[in-house]
Amino acid sequence: EVQLVESGGGLVKPGGSLRLSCAASGFTFSNAWMNWVRQAPGKGLEWVGRIKRKTDGGTTDYAAPVKGRFTISRDDSKNTLYLQMNSLKTEDTAVYYCTTYVMDVWGQGTTVTVSS
Amino acid sequence: DVVMTQSPLSLPVTLGQPASISCRSSQSLVYSDGNTYLNWFQQRPGQSPRRLIYKVSNRDSGVPDRFSGSGSGTDFTLKISKVEAEDVGIYYCMQGTHWPPFTFGPGTKVDIK
Repeated sequence: EVQLVESGGGLVKPGGSLRLSCAASGFTFSNAWMNWVRQAPGKGLEWVGRIKRKTDGGTTDYAAPVKGRFTISRDDSKNTLYLQMNSLKTEDTAVYYCTTYVMDVWGQGTTVTVSS
Repeated sequence: DVVMTQSPLSLPVTLGQPASISCRSSQSLVYSDGNTYLNWFQQRPGQSPRRLIYKVSNRDSGVPDRFSGSGSGTDFTLKISKVEAEDVGIYYCMQGTHWPPFTFGPGTKVDIK
């Protein structure tokens, strides 16, 4: 069964940092481009960023609101996707989902709350 | 960035009756490879989003055939032929043609009258 399981969410103060993880199973993770998507409380879906597979360069792209503050990385030996979030703002409060590139598989999400 | 709009934003429906959601993009979603990367997602209350339709009209595995997608260029539609109670939730369209970024519509909330 294809599965994505996010972890690492929590409460953090503005200006703080947090690293989210997404454990993948049931498919060849190293071949997959992956996304992070977030959803603020009571709001819609917002694409955060994407990482290509290493054979395609492993490059990343980000949404404008997070560019320069968030970094997506991957460890193919651990089948794990990461989202390093720095300089967090209150508006980054959201449920963060990892998804496959074509968004046919989603994790259950992990909640990040940025508040003093 | 491509802006996605949806209408209506709220759709009360009667069980067993059809429902239709419109999605429009600010520019054509036809990609250089000839495909149109327009997806539909369903998010039931308290759940993660689930992809229903990809490339305008292709149903994902396990999606009931009462769901159908159509459209071209900048205008797209998701139809539910006969609404069932389990269809309650928020429906989003999303374009994957002009990226980054991928952009979602604001969502249409479907509930039962």
